[in-house]
Amino acid sequence: AQSVTQLDSHVSVSEGTPVLLRCNYSSSYSPSLFWYVQHPNKGLQLLLKYTSAATLVKGINGFEAEFKKSETSFHLTKPSAHMSDAAEYFCVVSEEELTGGGNKLTFGTGTQLKVEL
Amino acid sequence: NAGVTQTPKFRILKIGQSMTLQCTQDMNHNYMYWYRQDPGMGLKLIYYSVGAGITDKGEVPNGYNVSRSTTEDFPLRLELAAPSQTSVYFCASSIRQGGITDTQYFGPGTRLTVL
Repeated sequence: AQSVTQLDSHVSVSEGTPVLLRCNYSSSYSPSLFWYVQHPNKGLQLLLKYTSAATLVKGINGFEAEFKKSETSFHLTKPSAHMSDAAEYFCVVSEEELTGGGNKLTFGTGTQLKVEL
Repeated sequence: NAGVTQTPKFRILKIGQSMTLQCTQDMNHNYMYWYRQDPGMGLKLIYYSVGAGITDKGEVPNGYNVSRSTTEDFPLRLELAAPSQTSVYFCASSIRQGGITDTQYFGPGTRLTVL
């Protein structure tokens, strides 16, 4: 069964400093992994996606994530935080298929990123 | 493309009332999904559809119904609203391309309060 754990419910950084949002997953085979961002009162936007190609995945807005199978981790990083990065971030694992097709997504509980001046 | 659109954005219902949450996508995606998001939790799948005329239950289907008469539309129906259905509802769509895991694209959400 697939599952995902986001290790921090809240992260606070200063503008211009690095961001690290941690995610560990559990799956039986080879999962696909996603990071989504949700700005206040908005829908979810895809940041980046890993699907068994390069282990270092680059996404939008300067974010990237590294798939580490030995550590079952998929941490999200950004070298320099911007005020506009303040949002909630969800790590998502997809390995299982739904009956009839489509992918079953399992969401983490989210990490709220606060960026201070 | 507008992507995935949802209406209404906000709604307050009384216990026992019914309503339909609308979802439309203009990307010609065959898969569509309904999720709910409760405070401090990730999204939970309510129902999904793999194509027009085909729907199936997700993790938390009780109290909801869906239909899929066209590729574009996937409405979610609440028949007898209960306070436990207070949540934010997201619709999503995706398309399978070869053997690659499809990416789900989400609408902006409907915030529903049942009093």
